[in-house]
Amino acid sequence: DTGVSQDPRHKITKRGQNVTFRCDPISEHNRLYWYRQTLGQGPEFLTYFQNEAQLEKSRLLSDRFSAERPKGSFSTLEIQRTEQGDSAMYLCASRHSGFTDTQYFGPGTRLTVL
Amino acid sequence: AQKITQTQPGMFVQEKEAVTLDCTYDTSDPSYGLFWYKQPSSGEMIFLIYQGSYDQQNATEGRYSLNFQKARKSANLVISASQLGDSAMYFCAMREEVRTSGSRLTFGEGTQLTVNP
Repeated sequence: DTGVSQDPRHKITKRGQNVTFRCDPISEHNRLYWYRQTLGQGPEFLTYFQNEAQLEKSRLLSDRFSAERPKGSFSTLEIQRTEQGDSAMYLCASRHSGFTDTQYFGPGTRLTVL
Repeated sequence: AQKITQTQPGMFVQEKEAVTLDCTYDTSDPSYGLFWYKQPSSGEMIFLIYQGSYDQQNATEGRYSLNFQKARKSANLVISASQLGDSAMYFCAMREEVRTSGSRLTFGEGTQLTVNP
């Protein structure tokens, strides 16, 4: 069993473009989380899913951000009309709520908005 | 609101020596969990160790141990016998068991550890 994977690892885009990131959690992990990490800071919570249900969204998740987990497996995070302030590392994590409190993170997607 | 404080932006240690990374937290909930993660320059967050608020004993995982002092609200990470590969950013994080916040993690700002040969 592999760990959490994210695609792409790096994304460079121009301001105003839309971008989409994918996260594949550890198999059978029912909870999936998205975090954003800017340079020199710790990760900040964006949103999380239990199976396909999005149960909580941070105030950081503006209306330009949308996340889905349609079949309770992989998840996508889309940012519309990107701004330079969106430049950050986007981290995905997963856990199995029945077995562990620990969230396991993927390698992240580093977004640069020019 | 919960808060995590890491007061050491940077720490240096000689190879094979022990080092303590500080973490204090603030929460009003009786049930919470504390984590330490390591983030190398590659960016991936690597789980190191976990301590539950009701755990009676300090957690240990190999060379990592967590010095949990509940009354002082501190959860310091101790790394014994430092290795060059331990050079990385270290984050303390807390999970708060509150219905409205689910199980999100709140992170500190991190401590950059450098192990010198």
